Parts: sequence; C-alpha cells; structure tokens
Amino acid sequence: DAGVIQSPRHEVTEMGQEVTLRCKPISGHNSLFWYRQTMMRGLELLIYFNNNVPIDDSGMPEDRFSAKMPNASFSTLKIQPSEPRDSAVYFCASSPGQGVQSMNTEAFFGQGTRLTVV
Amino acid sequence: AQSVTQLDSQVPVFEEAPVELRCNYSSSVSVYLFWYVQYPNQGLQLLLKYLSGSTLVKGINGFEAEFNKSQTSFHLRKPSVHISDTAEYFCAVRRIQGAQKLVFGQGTRLTINP
Repeated sequence: DAGVIQSPRHEVTEMGQEVTLRCKPISGHNSLFWYRQTMMRGLELLIYFNNNVPIDDSGMPEDRFSAKMPNASFSTLKIQPSEPRDSAVYFCASSPGQGVQSMNTEAFFGQGTRLTVV
Repeated sequence: AQSVTQLDSQVPVFEEAPVELRCNYSSSVSVYLFWYVQYPNQGLQLLLKYLSGSTLVKGINGFEAEFNKSQTSFHLRKPSVHISDTAEYFCAVRRIQGAQKLVFGQGTRLTINP
C-alpha cells in the first residue's frame, strides 16, 4: 500500500485566494483525520470523519475552513478565503476505525502539505 | 476530554548517551498511548504503542516506553542514541472506546550532538 497520499506537498498562495488540500486515505481505513501543525500551537485536530461522516469538527478554526469526504477514498480541506495566519503544515491521517479492541489502533499519516499564504 | 503534556520542549544529548523523553496524560476514561516520531519535512511515523498487558513496550529503532498508570505517565527511553535519532517526538492518547481521534502533546525536539 502506498500509504496516505496528500497533494500538493507545497502550496503558496496569495491572501484571499481559495486553497484546496487533498487526501487519499489507506484503502480499507474508515477513519480520516485532518491535523494542522504550527510552531505556536503544535498539532491540532481540525476534523475527523468515520465512514465518510464528519464526527467532530470542533477544531475547525472558523467558517473559512470546510472539509468533505465524498467517498471512502478521498477527502478535501478547503480554505476560502485564505489568510496569512493559515500558513502551516496540514496533515491527513487515516486509521482502521472503531470496533472491538484491535491491534491496528494507530493513525497513519501522510507527508503533509506545507501551505504558505502571502 | 484527554490531554497530553510533554514536559520538555527540547532535549539535547550527546551521541551514544541515554535519553528519556517525558510524557504525562490526563483522561477520565481508559486510553491507548502512542509515541510518534517526525523527521524534518516528513509526516509522523509510529514508534510504539501501549494497548494492554506488559507495561514496558518496545518499538522501532531501539526505543522503548513504560506505562505507569498510577503516575499517568508514558516516558520514552533509549539507552544509546545516534545522530539519526535527531527528530521531534510526539506523545499521544486515544480513547479505547468511542472517539477515534488522537490527542497529541506539544512535542519534544531531540537534538543529538556528536
């Protein structure tokens, strides 16, 4: 398996523009997470999906952020309009999901998208 | 809710010296515990995890961690570090039942000096 695939790896955009980050989870995983990493705040969970349904979006900073998971193999995180303070590394992760105690409990992370808003 | 505290933001050590990275957690329910490593410009990679059973767990690259329920700690150790261990290390917890999300600590930057 290729692991969690994120695109693009780097994105530079101007303030006010729309930005879309993409994620392909590991096949068969039914939980998907979006995290943001900054020096000041560390790793923050933005939103997570289970079976394509958003379960907890309490970490989404504001209405400018939205996330979708139209099917089990694809998710997007959109920022519209983008602002300089959105500059960060955005990680997508997937895990096998809920159930009885399973040895496969960890989340597998993609390489991240480094977003710079100028 | 769960929270994780990594007590040291930076830890410098000399090559071949032992190292301990400290992690304490808070949770009202039972949790799984994890250590992840992040090399420069990379994603997070699982080092080891505690699910149940023996409180001493061994992971990749010679790392191990000990779960101490009474002290709510999960400290990471390595008896002899190498330059290639230079990275950021994250402790994380996840509820055993219910929400799948990982809650991370702030991270500890481990720097190995020759």
